[in-house]
Amino acid sequence: ETGVTQSPTHLIKTRGQQVTLRCSSQSGHNTVSWYQQALGQGPQFIFQYYREEENGRGNFPPRFSGLQFPNYSSELNVNALELDDSALYLCASSPQGYEQYFGPGTRLTVT
Amino acid sequence: GIQVEQSPPDLILQEGANSTLRCNFSDSVNNLQWFHQNPWGQLINLFYIPSGTKQNGRLSATTVATERYSLLYISSSQTTDSGVYFCAVLNSGYSTLTFGKGTMLLVSP
Repeated sequence: ETGVTQSPTHLIKTRGQQVTLRCSSQSGHNTVSWYQQALGQGPQFIFQYYREEENGRGNFPPRFSGLQFPNYSSELNVNALELDDSALYLCASSPQGYEQYFGPGTRLTVT
Repeated sequence: GIQVEQSPPDLILQEGANSTLRCNFSDSVNNLQWFHQNPWGQLINLFYIPSGTKQNGRLSATTVATERYSLLYISSSQTTDSGVYFCAVLNSGYSTLTFGKGTMLLVSP
């Protein structure tokens, strides 16, 4: 059984650019959640997708957007990058409402 | 929204010592998970424990949902136990995990 995978591992972008992060969910999981973890903090919920529909959103601006595909993989897109967007981005998959399993994360640096 | 508080924020132990980490939450929950975050950022699932007690080797956890707290016990700690331990809860009626700020554990040889 393949666990949750994310790509890329690391990424460096310039302020104002756009970025796309990818996540492949664990087999059999129909729900994907995205979290942002700033240095020294706990992960903060960005949004969740269930069967290709957004199913909840945290306190993040609209320039954070996402997609879920029929195979339940997902993308996180961030437009107009700001320095404060530098963080570890974590993806988690789960059967809806049950235990969440996290990928290894993508570390984004905005300069 | 629901508040999750973890204590202590930092903990330093000698190898072989036991410890208890606490997680308090401000509202009823459908789900509670404990994670260990390794130095590379990977969140490793330790327990899925909305209520009751579970054990896995040297680790065990207890959640008392009616009193809104959970405890993680680490016995005979090893240097590989070092890292940040997070408690996260799934609030009733919501679909997202809310994390505490974590407990940073350092186990020295």
